[in-house]
Amino acid sequence: SQQGEEDPQALSIQEGENATMNCSYKTSINNLQWYRQNSGRGLVHLILIRSNEREKHSGRLRVTLDTSKKSSSLLITASRAADTASYFCATARMDSSYKLIFGSGTRLLVRP
Amino acid sequence: NAGVTQTPKFQVLKTGQSMTLQCAQDMNHNSMYWYRQDPGMGLRLIYYSASEGTTDKGEVPNGYNVSRLNKREFSLRLESAAPSQTSVYFCASSYGDLVGGYTFGSGTRLTVV
Repeated sequence: SQQGEEDPQALSIQEGENATMNCSYKTSINNLQWYRQNSGRGLVHLILIRSNEREKHSGRLRVTLDTSKKSSSLLITASRAADTASYFCATARMDSSYKLIFGSGTRLLVRP
Repeated sequence: NAGVTQTPKFQVLKTGQSMTLQCAQDMNHNSMYWYRQDPGMGLRLIYYSASEGTTDKGEVPNGYNVSRLNKREFSLRLESAAPSQTSVYFCASSYGDLVGGYTFGSGTRLTVV
């Protein structure tokens, strides 16, 4: 069974706009990670946020984590056509922190 | 900077045939993983190896076996392929404490007819 579920399943925005994707999970976690997958390619690690952190930034990416609600969000600011991809959240549970469970992903389309 | 290398990239098998998917990493990672990805779904963990010499089942291990040949290599074997195993298979590796997350290979697209 999948631990993380992303929302929305698909998102279409104009270049320059911000994109927000959400992830909910079920059990206590050690950390939560976001990955990007371009069509036909492997996944690329974007950012990791630990359970004792609330917010993290990396370039145009901002991730928040609310452990009380068991949810996370990924914000991509000033989106570009090159950001078009699928985005997955993945959780590492407290009892097996090196093993990731992935959600079903959000497909992001950034229109030029 | 090879990272994680998977071979082959594409494969078509007939039902009942066997094959081994190869994976090698050159980042001195301790842990390695095999996932499968089906259309519209996230990745599901098949098997993993937390460290050299150990392997464990993931969410969907039935029909698969693995071998952690050494620290660099982790292979996935399908003994008797079934159409339900048609999927894209990804190998990944990490340090084990998840510093920096996983590094993924580019995938093997397997079709079983």
